[in-house]
Amino acid sequence: GIQVEQSPPDLILQEGANSTLRCNFSDSVNNLQWFHQNPWGQLINLFYIPSGTKQNGRLSATTVATERYSLLYISSSQTTDSGVYFCAADNDMRFGAGTRLTVKP
Amino acid sequence: GAVVSQHPSRVICKSGTSVKIECRSLDFQATTMFWYRQFPKQSLMLMATSNEGSKATYEQGVEKDKFLINHASLTLSTLTVASAHPEDSSFYICSAGQGLSYGYTFGSGTRLTVV
Repeated sequence: GIQVEQSPPDLILQEGANSTLRCNFSDSVNNLQWFHQNPWGQLINLFYIPSGTKQNGRLSATTVATERYSLLYISSSQTTDSGVYFCAADNDMRFGAGTRLTVKP
Repeated sequence: GAVVSQHPSRVICKSGTSVKIECRSLDFQATTMFWYRQFPKQSLMLMATSNEGSKATYEQGVEKDKFLINHASLTLSTLTVASAHPEDSSFYICSAGQGLSYGYTFGSGTRLTVV
């Protein structure tokens, strides 16, 4: 099956800073989604983005399907952005290892 | 938006008993549902893919007789952990989708503790 790699594994930011999270995938995909897992385990769907660019408030995402990567941008980070960010790819939704983000006040 | 309900959210059971977890799509018909297992501070590991009306497709290394999946309707899939043992303790999460163009929505997860 497809391999999904995320970087960095851990990220510590000061509140107000911007960040970029990356997701690489080993083959072309029909589906790519970004999620935020909150401390209670709930996966919050951030973007469905197999290609192109989308924005939602302080978050935006870009997928370059031909180069097999996707980026999640977080601007003006807040402490509530802390948690684990996952990307999942392809028809059977394979997950990357995640990026653990900590935003300090 | 699409809502997926998963029950129970937490269950504690004795070793040797069976536990059933339900995953329901509340406002859409889910042709495909996925079941995942997540260990602390790790990623989600796909266990099986469930398609309505057909047998589930299990990932390599997942015991079919231990983790029984039934997708009896377009809105309900169940995962039964048969004869649970302490090593089955984990966080189990389901997801459901209407089709590729819509993405997948996740349930809130079930934390299983086998004592």
